[in-house]
Amino acid sequence: EMQLVESGGRLVRPGRSLRLSCVASGFNFDDYGMHWVRQAPGKGLEWVATIRRNSGGIGYADSVKGRFSISRDNAKNSLYLQMNSLRPEDTALYYCAKSVAFLEYLLADAFDVWGHGTLVTVSS
Amino acid sequence: DIVMTQSPDSLAVSLGERATINCKSSQSVLYDSNNKNYLAWYQQKPGQPPKLLIYWASTRESGVPDRFSGSGSGTDFTLTISSLQAEDVAVYYCQQYYSTPYTFGQGTKLDIK
Repeated sequence: EMQLVESGGRLVRPGRSLRLSCVASGFNFDDYGMHWVRQAPGKGLEWVATIRRNSGGIGYADSVKGRFSISRDNAKNSLYLQMNSLRPEDTALYYCAKSVAFLEYLLADAFDVWGHGTLVTVSS
Repeated sequence: DIVMTQSPDSLAVSLGERATINCKSSQSVLYDSNNKNYLAWYQQKPGQPPKLLIYWASTRESGVPDRFSGSGSGTDFTLTISSLQAEDVAVYYCQQYYSTPYTFGQGTKLDIK
């Protein structure tokens, strides 16, 4: 069974940093693009960042560009999100998600496997 | 950025009846070179992560009941549930993956009438 498990979320003060992790199992991690998507309490879904199989292609939402950094370690089947200069508006449940496209075929970045999320709360 | 707008924001449908949710993109998500629409639909139930239902606008994800179908091309898309079941109560989102930033619609809440 394909599975993603996020960790690292907690209460943090504005301006501080946090690193989220996501461990994958049940599929060949390095065959797929990976993503972070967040959902503020009671709100809709917001794409945060994407990283290609070989880390050669990376993209960010404007709301996090310059503050967040996505990375992956294919040897550890792990995805990361380094979050710096956190703001109250970054408060959300952060999901790790996998692309549906094997070997990034046609860059089909629909997200077919999701973790259960890790909650980040930014508050003083 | 491509803006995704869903309609309606909420709807209530009787069990066994058809439910239709619309999604409109601010620019075409049809990639001419491969003739594919870069559009997905998700279902999210309370306390759960989203579940992929449809991608390429009309390709049903493995294991998704065939009462769910997607249609449309270019800028206008529709998710149809042919015969509503109680377990279909959820919020539904469309998403474009044509270009970053990938964007979602605001969500449509579906309830039983």
